[in-house]
Amino acid sequence: QVQLVESGGGVVQPGRSLRVSCAAFGFTFSYYGMHWVRQAPGKGLEWVAVISYDGANIHYADSVKGRFTISRDTSKDTLYLQMNSLRPEDTAVYYCARGQYQLDYWGQGILVTVS
Amino acid sequence: DIQMTQSPSTLSASVGDRVTITCRASQNISIWLAWYQQKPGTAPKFLIYQASKLQSGVPSTFIGSGSGTEFALTISSLQPDDFATYFCQQYDSFPYTFGQGTKLEIK
Repeated sequence: QVQLVESGGGVVQPGRSLRVSCAAFGFTFSYYGMHWVRQAPGKGLEWVAVISYDGANIHYADSVKGRFTISRDTSKDTLYLQMNSLRPEDTAVYYCARGQYQLDYWGQGILVTVS
Repeated sequence: DIQMTQSPSTLSASVGDRVTITCRASQNISIWLAWYQQKPGTAPKFLIYQASKLQSGVPSTFIGSGSGTEFALTISSLQPDDFATYFCQQYDSFPYTFGQGTKLEIK
């Protein structure tokens, strides 16, 4: 069955960098667009970024544009989010999710704390 | 950016009730709207796409409706498992945006 497993979270100081990963299982990764969505503690969902199935099209939320980079490695069936110049307001659970439009499968989420 | 506004923010209801959550877009998004359910400490679960199409495996008590700027999620007969927070999401244009969420509580 479809499974998405995030890793790489943790505590990082403001201004530093962190990369989170999302390993995909149970479907043909190269056929699907992939997203990152985050949720600050006690808050709602915030869409972060999307990468198309072939990596050719990428879009970001204004709040992370220029600081975060989404990428994918089809040989490893893995999605990445490189986060630079981190700010305390980037503290959140980061979810990866499958889909070009609606997000039909989500990972369990990984906590990133900027402090 | 397209703003998505849900109402109410909190809804108290009982098992067996029929409830409706509304979602308003700041501009026309046609039918490009999805709904998700989230329970505490877990990832969101995908329920409805294209405003009214039920994801496979989702009970038929969940009904999506609307187009343009006004949308609704109706649960026709609340079950104990339905008490959760619900989010709408537009995918008409980037950046995709979510509503702020509606928490459905047991009365």
